[in-house]
Amino acid sequence: EAGVAQSPRYKIIEKRQSVAFWCNPISGHATLYWYQQILGQGPKLLIQFQNNGVVDDSQLPKDRFSAERLKGVDSTLKIQPAKLEDSAVYLCASSLARGLGYTFGSGTRLTVV
Amino acid sequence: GENVEQHPSTLSVQEGDSAVIKCTYSDSASNYFPWYKQELGKGPQLIIDIRSNVGEKKDQRIAVTLNKTAKHFSLHITETQPEDSAVYFCAWGSSNTGKLIFGQGTTLQVKP
Repeated sequence: EAGVAQSPRYKIIEKRQSVAFWCNPISGHATLYWYQQILGQGPKLLIQFQNNGVVDDSQLPKDRFSAERLKGVDSTLKIQPAKLEDSAVYLCASSLARGLGYTFGSGTRLTVV
Repeated sequence: GENVEQHPSTLSVQEGDSAVIKCTYSDSASNYFPWYKQELGKGPQLIIDIRSNVGEKKDQRIAVTLNKTAKHFSLHITETQPEDSAVYFCAWGSSNTGKLIFGQGTTLQVKP
């Protein structure tokens, strides 16, 4: 089966600019996650979707981050405006259902200068 | 609280030796404990997982043990090979929510 697709692979922006990341999960996977991985650390959950509904966004900095999953398939994560501390790899993952092992994409490496 | 302590942060072994990575978690309600391997420029890849009703699970050269009383679990890699070199992350979570809390990672270097 095809894996989790993410784009772009790399992005460099200046602080205060906006940026968007895209994720296409494995076909049929109902649960989709966005994680932030700062260099040298483990991934940290930003938001979890079940189909097109938000299950957990308690760790999402909602003043600048937003995410949506239209029609319960693809998802986009947006940052506006970006700060220097947003520099990280943004990982998308999907699973067939909650509680099952999930598959990560290769991530988008964001550098904010 | 949500916390995972993972040790050691770096581990260097000779090819053929065993490697052990240990994690301690804080939430006694957690019942799912996966281990991920992350190579440079790639996303984490699930290599083995264990649920709370099992104390040990083995898959070829990889094994995971869980001690729920002490709230710790370990990854054991035997007969290490250079291609095992990567960053390994433990995680814990609940099968009800699907959310995972990750450790800080262990950089494993297997020297040929």
